[in-house]
Amino acid sequence: AQSVTQLGSHVSVSEGALVLLRCNYSSSVPPYLFWYVQYPNQGLQLLLKYTTGATLVKGINGFEAEFKKSETSFHLTKPSAHMSDAAEYFCAVSRSAGTALIFGKGTTLSVSS
Amino acid sequence: NAGVTQTPKFQVLKTGQSMTLQCAQDMNHEYMSWYRQDPGMGLRLIHYSVGAGITDQGEVPNGYNVSRSTTEDFPLRLLSAAPSQTSVYFCASSYGNTGELFFGEGSRLTVL
Repeated sequence: AQSVTQLGSHVSVSEGALVLLRCNYSSSVPPYLFWYVQYPNQGLQLLLKYTTGATLVKGINGFEAEFKKSETSFHLTKPSAHMSDAAEYFCAVSRSAGTALIFGKGTTLSVSS
Repeated sequence: NAGVTQTPKFQVLKTGQSMTLQCAQDMNHEYMSWYRQDPGMGLRLIHYSVGAGITDQGEVPNGYNVSRSTTEDFPLRLLSAAPSQTSVYFCASSYGNTGELFFGEGSRLTVL
């Protein structure tokens, strides 16, 4: 069975600082990995995904993530935080495309000026 | 483009009442699913469907029923509401080979 662990339920950074949100997964097969973002009172939208191929994946709004099989990790980074990045971020895993996504518990990102 | 539409957006129920949360998508997606979101718990999968006539249980299926008679619709039924079912419910869909979920705006349910 797949599972996802997001380290840190709340991360605070200053505007312009590096954003690092951590995600570790457990999967018995090569996983499909995703990061989603949720702004207040909205549904989730996809930031980026890894399925196969290049392990460094670039997404929207300047975010990227690197799939590290040896560390079973898929951490999300952004070089310079903006106030508009404040939101809740979810890491998710699935066995393959078109199957059930299992989500982590989420990390709330706060950005201060 | 409507995408994934959920109704109602807000609902208050009394313990023991039943109701159906509606979900419809107009993107011809094969895969549809229901999640519930609770503070500190993230999103937990209730039920999902890989196509019309096919449904399966997720992580937290107890107290919920689903059916998938058409590609477009995937209603979630609460048979006898309990306070523990107070939550925000999200419906999502995806095209089979992408893995990208498209979410509705959510339905906030309170059970008294």
